[in-house]
Amino acid sequence: SAVISQKPSRDICQRGTSLTIQCQVDSQVTMMFWYRQQPGQSLTLIATANQGSEATYESGFVIDKFPISRPNLTFSTLTVSNMSPEDSSIYLCSVASIADTQYFGPGTRLTVL
Amino acid sequence: DAKTTQPPSMDCAEGRAANLPCNHSTISGNEYVYWYRQIHSQGPQYIIHGLKNNETNEMASLIITEDRKSSTLILPHATLRDTAVYYCIVSIGNEKLTFGTGTRLTIIP
Repeated sequence: SAVISQKPSRDICQRGTSLTIQCQVDSQVTMMFWYRQQPGQSLTLIATANQGSEATYESGFVIDKFPISRPNLTFSTLTVSNMSPEDSSIYLCSVASIADTQYFGPGTRLTVL
Repeated sequence: DAKTTQPPSMDCAEGRAANLPCNHSTISGNEYVYWYRQIHSQGPQYIIHGLKNNETNEMASLIITEDRKSSTLILPHATLRDTAVYYCIVSIGNEKLTFGTGTRLTIIP
């Protein structure tokens, strides 16, 4: 299985600021996804990060709030913009290749004050 | 994606087999059954998946009924480290995963 790292592992931020989360995988993968897990809740998909094109967002998530980049097949970033306390969550990236299983990173725990 | 139904919580004695059920009555023919677990807000860990046949790996066994409308994840000898939330998900291969609320499994010493 792929080895996935996320930076930062956790952060405490002030409202109104933005945070960029990085996801790095040790091998080229076809698919990269970003999920959010709010406190006490299950995981919800934010978007699919597409290499070389705009991300595909799920209902309820917009690019202005969660801009995503994927410059190559091993790296992606998620930015949480203009943060409010409601954005306090664990943000997780996951990866998969064609006909392969989806694997998750360790997550980034974000607290917004 | 088809919806799954799991009991919200289960207990199992340490050393015994843990059997976690999942109903997926609306599963379509090309959807797999995936199991993940999440230990204390870490990233979900892949356990096992299957299409029609029963599957076994070093972590667990997956039993899928013949009509594919339900399945059971079996942890053969549960340890305290198996305490986690277990998610049963049906999906077409490596596409987006829709997580339900899962089963919170507690292993009792």
